[in-house]
Amino acid sequence: GQSLEQPSEVTAVEGAIVQINCTYQTSGFYGLSWYQQHDGGAPTFLSYNALDGLEETGRFSSFLSRSDSYGYLLLQELQMKDSASYFCAVRGGRGSYIPTFGRGTSLIVHP
Amino acid sequence: GAGVSQSPRYKVTKRGQDVALRCDPISGHVSLYWYRQALGQGPEFLTYFNYEAQQDKSGLPNDRFSAERPEGSISTLTIQRTEQRDSAMYRCASSADSNNEQFFGPGTRLTVL
Repeated sequence: GQSLEQPSEVTAVEGAIVQINCTYQTSGFYGLSWYQQHDGGAPTFLSYNALDGLEETGRFSSFLSRSDSYGYLLLQELQMKDSASYFCAVRGGRGSYIPTFGRGTSLIVHP
Repeated sequence: GAGVSQSPRYKVTKRGQDVALRCDPISGHVSLYWYRQALGQGPEFLTYFNYEAQQDKSGLPNDRFSAERPEGSISTLTIQRTEQRDSAMYRCASSADSNNEQFFGPGTRLTVL
């Protein structure tokens, strides 16, 4: 099967930098994704890493190390609107692209 | 429409009734996924399709759950003989292909009394 571990909650202040870690176990691996979900809303895609290294998209960056089965999402210049839940998701499994989501990290940004 | 749509947005039913949840993906998207999401949890995979073919249904909880996508576009998730434990948010997502980002719909909140 597949499993992911991420912290349940992270707090930070406006303007700061925060890192949300994700470790995973999967049989077969096709990439690690990150999604953001505000209360009452649908998950929205942030980033995808299939290969090792850092992917940068504006204030958000995502990192992957396949040898360590580890990735993180880095959020810079935090804004109040970044308060949301963040999910890492891995695709894996034998012969199938089954997506598995972590339990989510609740990010609380304080003024 | 521009995004993924789902209907109904809210469904209240009595235990033992059948329900059908509809998903209308982004036009042209090959892959369509069904998830169930409990409060405070991540989406839990149920099943997915490429075009009209169901690729994997290993996440369906039991044989009361079924899904179809007969023409490779709109999909229906059917739950027969609903039970209270089926109450949840059911989400649909589509992607251009299996390896691309998923676009989620607003979900259907199912309540079984």
